[in-house]
Amino acid sequence: GENVEQHPSTLSVQEGDSAVIKCTYSDSASNYFPWYKQELGKRPQLIIDIRSNVGEKKDQRIAVTLNKTAKHFSLHITETQPEDSAVYFCAASILRTGANNLFFGTGTRLTVIP
Amino acid sequence: DGGITQSPKYLFRKEGQNVTLSCEQNLNHDAMYWYRQDPGQGLRLIYYSQIVNDFQKGDIAEGYSVSREKKESFPLTVTSAQKNPTAFYLCASRTAGLAGAEQFFGPGTRLTVL
Repeated sequence: GENVEQHPSTLSVQEGDSAVIKCTYSDSASNYFPWYKQELGKRPQLIIDIRSNVGEKKDQRIAVTLNKTAKHFSLHITETQPEDSAVYFCAASILRTGANNLFFGTGTRLTVIP
Repeated sequence: DGGITQSPKYLFRKEGQNVTLSCEQNLNHDAMYWYRQDPGQGLRLIYYSQIVNDFQKGDIAEGYSVSREKKESFPLTVTSAQKNPTAFYLCASRTAGLAGAEQFFGPGTRLTVL
């Protein structure tokens, strides 16, 4: 099955700096890569996703890049703010008619220092 | 928020007891999922269901059981066979097909075995 690895497990940045979280996946058939943000004690919420037919996607201060050849994808947060502090999970999936199960990384705890 | 509800928010269980966690959604989603979240291990899939009266084991199904008698409901029973049940349990759902990529999560149930 799919194996998703995520690094780093913890990340501290100064407010206003950029943060980068990296993930690798093992199944070359995976074609959907979402990123979820989970604040303490809350549910995970989708912040951005990318499909394998594009290499980069941006949404304001958040961007995701995908390298299918190397089987890795990254989350980039620019101009970080204290409210960006949370645990971030990457995931991979094979979108098709069926289960579309998500395989999650182990998470990155991001702390933005004011 | 809204759309997927889980109850109770906190649950305490004595060793040897079975407990049932509720998950209800009014999003008309076909697929539903149960995840277990432990510190440093991300989200691990317990069971999933694509349609009513059908469900499949995930990666860590041992000691758990589910039912899917209604489209809106996917309860999870943690049995006494689950040796380490203390964890945060998350339910999720999504619509069917290739367009249904995003999984929406419930607020979670924190189970503690006393």
